[in-house]
Amino acid sequence: ETGVTQSPTHLIKTRGQQVTLRCSSQSGHNTVSWYQQALGQGPQFIFQYYREEENGRGNFPPRFSGLQFPNYSSELNVNALELDDSALYLCASSLSTFRDTGELFFGEGSRLTVL
Amino acid sequence: AQKVTQAQTEISVVEKEDVTLDCVYETRDTTYYLFWYKQPPSGELVFLIRRNSFDEQNEISGRYSWNFQKSTSSFNFTITASQVVDSAVYFCALTLNYGQNFVFGPGTRLSVLP
Repeated sequence: ETGVTQSPTHLIKTRGQQVTLRCSSQSGHNTVSWYQQALGQGPQFIFQYYREEENGRGNFPPRFSGLQFPNYSSELNVNALELDDSALYLCASSLSTFRDTGELFFGEGSRLTVL
Repeated sequence: AQKVTQAQTEISVVEKEDVTLDCVYETRDTTYYLFWYKQPPSGELVFLIRRNSFDEQNEISGRYSWNFQKSTSSFNFTITASQVVDSAVYFCALTLNYGQNFVFGPGTRLSVLP
C-alpha cells in the first residue's frame, strides 16, 4: 500500500454534470499530481500541485480544475462533463526537491463513467 | 517534448519463461529520470524502479533486471523465470527535473500463463 487514498472509487455521472474527486496524499509528501487514464492507454498528466499552488498543467481544458489543501490533500473538479471524460483518474503524491525527483506513489484511482 | 514508446502492446509467456519489455524514450534534456511501474487489475500503479540519466548502471532486484542504454535511448525491463503473479500492465515513464510531469508510455500487457 502506498498510503494514497482516493474517493470515491467508482461513480457514474451524466453529460453536463460536475464531479469532484478527492485524494489524501502519503504522509510527508509535498506534491500531488492528477492523471487521467483512458481504457487501454497510459496515464496522461492533468496537473500538479506543490504547497497549494498549481505547479504544472497538461493539455486539459480549464473545466478541469484542482485544489490542494494545507494538509496536502487534493481535489480534482471537472465541470460540464463530456462522454470522453470517462476514465480512471489517478492521484499520485511525491516528495520532490530541487535536487531530485521522487517517484510517484499512486492511489487506486476513481473510475468515472459519463453517460 | 518528451515521448515514451513501448512497442509491445501485449506479450504472453508461459510460466518460468524469461521476458523482456522494451522502452524507448525521447528527450533533448541531459537530466532526466526514468521509471517503471506495474499496474495490476486493481488499478493502482506500483513503483518498480527509478533511474536518473547520469547512472547507466544496470540493476538487478530478485527476478527483475533493468538495462539502461543512453546510446539507444532505451530502458528495458526483464523478468526472469516469470510467474503468474507478474501478469499486469507495465508502464515506462520519463520525467525531467524537479516539478515536471511524468510522461508515460502506452503500456505493455503481460500475461503469464500457468
